[in-house]
Parts: sequence; C-alpha cells; structure tokens
Amino acid sequence: SQTIHQWPATLVQPVGSPLSLECTVEGTSNPNLYWYRQAAGRGLQLLFYSVGIGQISSEVPQNLSASRPQDRQFILSSKKLLLSDSGFYLCAWNLGKTTLHFGNGTRLTVT
Amino acid sequence: AQKITQTQPGMFVQEKEAVTLDCTYDTSDQSYGLFWYKQPSSGEMIFLIYQGSYDEQNATEGRYSLNFQKARKSANLVISASQLGDSAMYFCAMRPNFGNEKLTFGTGTRLTIIP
Repeated sequence: SQTIHQWPATLVQPVGSPLSLECTVEGTSNPNLYWYRQAAGRGLQLLFYSVGIGQISSEVPQNLSASRPQDRQFILSSKKLLLSDSGFYLCAWNLGKTTLHFGNGTRLTVT
Repeated sequence: AQKITQTQPGMFVQEKEAVTLDCTYDTSDQSYGLFWYKQPSSGEMIFLIYQGSYDEQNATEGRYSLNFQKARKSANLVISASQLGDSAMYFCAMRPNFGNEKLTFGTGTRLTIIP
C-alpha cells in the first residue's frame, strides 16, 4: 500500500533562517506531488505541484521554492524565512486524477 | 478559475443528530469532481467522499452522503448520527476533470459535536 511521510512534524525557526521540508511517497511510481499551506483558521492554499522529476509549477509568487530530486521525493525550501511563512504545510500525492492523499503536515512557526 | 464557498465557519450539533455542511462552487468547467475532507485537531487531512459532476446518484460512504445539486452548484455533506469523533474541520474541494490537476479548497467549517 502507498504511504506518505512528511517531516519534521513541528519546526520553530527565526526570521531570515533557511528552511527545508521533506516529503516522500512509498509504494507507487511517478506520483503527482503537491505542497499546500494552511494559515491559522484558513483553507488550504496550493503552493507548488509536480507531475514528474524536475517539473515544478508554482502557484503563488513568494520566497519559497520546491524541488523534486527523485521520483517520490518533494522538498520545500526557503533561503530566508519571513514571519508570514508561518503556517501548517501539507504534502500530498495522487496518480492522475485520483483522490489526493495527504501527509500529516509540518507546523512551522517563524519567530 | 474555480471557487469554493463554505458559508458556515462553525457549527455545534448534538451527538446522534444529523448535520449538513454547506458547500457551493463556481466553475465554467462541465466535467469536474467534488471532494470532502476532514481535518481533526492533529492536522491530517482525511478523504471522506467524492462526487463526479456526471454521476447520476448522490455519493454515499457509510455515515457520509453528499447532497449534490448540480443546477444550484451545491455539494453539501450530510453526516448522519453524528459522533463525538466527528468534531473537526471539514473542507469542500473541487477539481476539473480536464486540464490541470489542481484541487481548490474552501475555507472550511469547524464542526463541534456536543455530548
């Protein structure tokens, strides 16, 4: 069966520090991969999605970036965090147009 | 572009009662899918139910059913016999069946079940 792993679960980082969140999927090949952000009390905002290795689409211009170095690995990064980057980050995957499956999320607090 | 509207930011329901969570959507696509997700306080997003725009019957999954009214562009989630474990945030989402693969979410409804 397929599983998705996302880490770390929580992270507290100072303003201006770098960020790296990692997500891996097991048990499938060539998944679509997504990064969503959820601000406190808000809905989910799509940040990036990828349909294959090295193929990244950005939905919202910001100081975040994403990379897909391997088929089942999706990384969210920032060179310098802003206070507004605080939130709950969710990685997700699907195949084609099937149901989206989410990881457990990373709660990021920028201080 | 798609838009999902959930007009109920919060709801309180007595245990064992049925509850309806509202969702309306706006799209120019003719073929699309509608989804409901549950988000407990732990933060994970749990898929509940799916409805295709051309499905003739309303989707059901156990205690969950989707009241789909295509002409009104609404896709309300109905939870029968609510339980304390149903307390969570609930998100409605949609995705066009052609073109991009992206899922658009509403802002959610926080459901609290009262014992």
